[in-house]
Amino acid sequence: ELKVEQNPLFLSMQEGKNYTIYCNYSTTSDRLYWYRQDPGKSLESLFVLLSNGAVKQEGRLMASLDTKARLSTLHITAAVHDLSATYFCAVGGSYNTDKLIFGTGTRLQVFP
Amino acid sequence: EAGVAQSPRYKIIEKRQSVAFWCNPISGHATLYWYQQILGQGPKLLIQFQNNGVVDDSQLPKDRFSAERLKGVDSTLKIQPAKLEDSAVYLCASSLGRYQPQHFGDGTRLSIL
Repeated sequence: ELKVEQNPLFLSMQEGKNYTIYCNYSTTSDRLYWYRQDPGKSLESLFVLLSNGAVKQEGRLMASLDTKARLSTLHITAAVHDLSATYFCAVGGSYNTDKLIFGTGTRLQVFP
Repeated sequence: EAGVAQSPRYKIIEKRQSVAFWCNPISGHATLYWYQQILGQGPKLLIQFQNNGVVDDSQLPKDRFSAERLKGVDSTLKIQPAKLEDSAVYLCASSLGRYQPQHFGDGTRLSIL
């Protein structure tokens, strides 16, 4: 059974600092997604990663995928307050289903 | 393009009552998903439709939950009877295909008293 773990669960960081969120998963998968969720809001798609070594960047966020290590990272560069949200990774299930298994989320708080 | 539409946004009912949620996916999206998100957790898939057929309902509590997708477009999710543990946000999502992102609606926040 596919399990997805994120760490840290909570991250409080100062504006201007860099940090990385980690997403580990337990079985082989062919796709991984990163989502952002603001309090009381729905999930917004950030990145889709489909192959080993894939790297995607948007603004201050960069996501990468290592399928051999079953690890994805979401790197935050020079954090700003607007990045405060909960970030989820979601990993595709077995090849006969489109099911996504979500991690528990990382709640990011950026302070001045 | 218009996003995934859900209604109602909020619902408060007493345990053992029934409730229904409605979802209209993004036009052209053949795949529709219903997720349950309990406070402090990631969403958990309840059921997936491909057009109007069920692809995966392995985590749907079928003794109390039911879902249908009429004519391969709109979908409804029903709970009858509701239990306290069903308090959660119910999210609908749709996608163009397996390797495309799932687009989520705003969800229905259900509170069971």
